Amino acid sequence: GQQVMQIPQYQHVQEGEDFTTYCNSSTTLSNIQWYKQRPGGHPVFLIQLVKSGEVKKQKRLTFQFGEAKKNSSLHITATQTTDVGTYFCAGTPGGTYKYIFGTGTRLKVLA
Amino acid sequence: EAGVAQSPRYKIIEKRQSVAFWCNPISGHATLYWYQQILGQGPKLLIQFQNNGVVDDSQLPKDRFSAERLKGVDSTLKIQPAKLEDSAVYLCASTPLQGGGVETQYFGPGTRLLVL
Repeated sequence: GQQVMQIPQYQHVQEGEDFTTYCNSSTTLSNIQWYKQRPGGHPVFLIQLVKSGEVKKQKRLTFQFGEAKKNSSLHITATQTTDVGTYFCAGTPGGTYKYIFGTGTRLKVLA
Repeated sequence: EAGVAQSPRYKIIEKRQSVAFWCNPISGHATLYWYQQILGQGPKLLIQFQNNGVVDDSQLPKDRFSAERLKGVDSTLKIQPAKLEDSAVYLCASTPLQGGGVETQYFGPGTRLLVL
């Protein structure tokens, strides 16, 4: 079946260090979204990417969609303690209207 | 704008018992999703409704799980009988139109189920 994997599964960084999580799909995606889930909370939408090779920035966060539309990345510059949480990508396989969530990357930021 | 409402927030039951969860999506949202999130994993889609019709229920264990969305507004998800492996957070989400990566999903707070 269709799978979306993320690496790494866990990442501990010192505050101020950079962080990157990678999302890889077994099939071509129409779109990809990124969500953040704080401990004990629910997923909250961050951004959506649609075009091949698209790059979007939100303050310290940079999102990229691969040329083949099968992978994506989220990069955080100079992490802060407020960045703690699990980051999920969610892709829509071409020709469908459903979201397949990735396995998630749990980020811990040490002050 | 009110968010997605879910109840109950927590539920503890014994295996083989029944349980039901309720979701009220954002007003006017046509598409409603139920996800199961096991601890340490990403949300897994159980069922997707558009208005009161089922769009996808391919991952719903139909021998024990059922869901309905009467009148195209709120929805209930039922498990009967529950198994230990059903312990998870059940998340409800909604989107304005048809979903599918072109719209933001708005999630409710979830129902934490523990099956003993």
